[in-house]
Amino acid sequence: GESVGLHLPTLSVQEGDNSIINCAYSNSASDYFIWYKQESGKGPQFIIDIRSNMDKRQGQRVTVLLNKTVKHLSLQIAATQPGDSAVYFCAENPSGAGSYQLTFGKGTKLSVIP
Amino acid sequence: EPEVTQTPSHQVTQMGQEVILRCVPISNHLYFYWYRQILGQKVEFLVSFYNNEISEKSEIFDDQFSVERPDGSNFTLKIRSTKLEDSAMYFCASRTGTSENQPQHFGDGTRLSIL
Repeated sequence: GESVGLHLPTLSVQEGDNSIINCAYSNSASDYFIWYKQESGKGPQFIIDIRSNMDKRQGQRVTVLLNKTVKHLSLQIAATQPGDSAVYFCAENPSGAGSYQLTFGKGTKLSVIP
Repeated sequence: EPEVTQTPSHQVTQMGQEVILRCVPISNHLYFYWYRQILGQKVEFLVSFYNNEISEKSEIFDDQFSVERPDGSNFTLKIRSTKLEDSAMYFCASRTGTSENQPQHFGDGTRLSIL
């Protein structure tokens, strides 16, 4: 498991640049992954998901990449905007079929510089 | 767009008192969840609920916790005798039952402060 503390990894990007947020997941049996965005005072907001039988999925301005070999997930945000500033969490469904609880990563804080 | 709603947004309670957190999941959803987030930490799973019974629970969800779906719309989390360490944000989530891999949608949470 990962250690959890008060200090989140932080990514600062210039408005208009692309952002890449990375996540290492723990369970090789996980078959479903989700990226959530959490703004201050709000709950996690669904961005995009991917199943383990895929290695890439695209949404509007966002792309998720999955590398099962190294248990790595990334979220790419194109043309980052000030409204993208938030904490981003990856979440995995660690137990496969029949268990739908999510295990969250510790999050990355994205700050967009106008 | 339908959303999960939670009340109250902030609950302040004396240690040892009972507290009930309320959630209205998205109306056609079948799976319901509670998570908590201690300040500055990651979101942690507490319990999942399907077909009027608990389907999974974590080690955090001990005998002090219970969940209920008292009617067709509400989903509640009760903490029987609160402790200082129960102070956290509590999030309710729901998802459809149409297939295995569907995202959970979260409410904006209840901030629980135990004094």
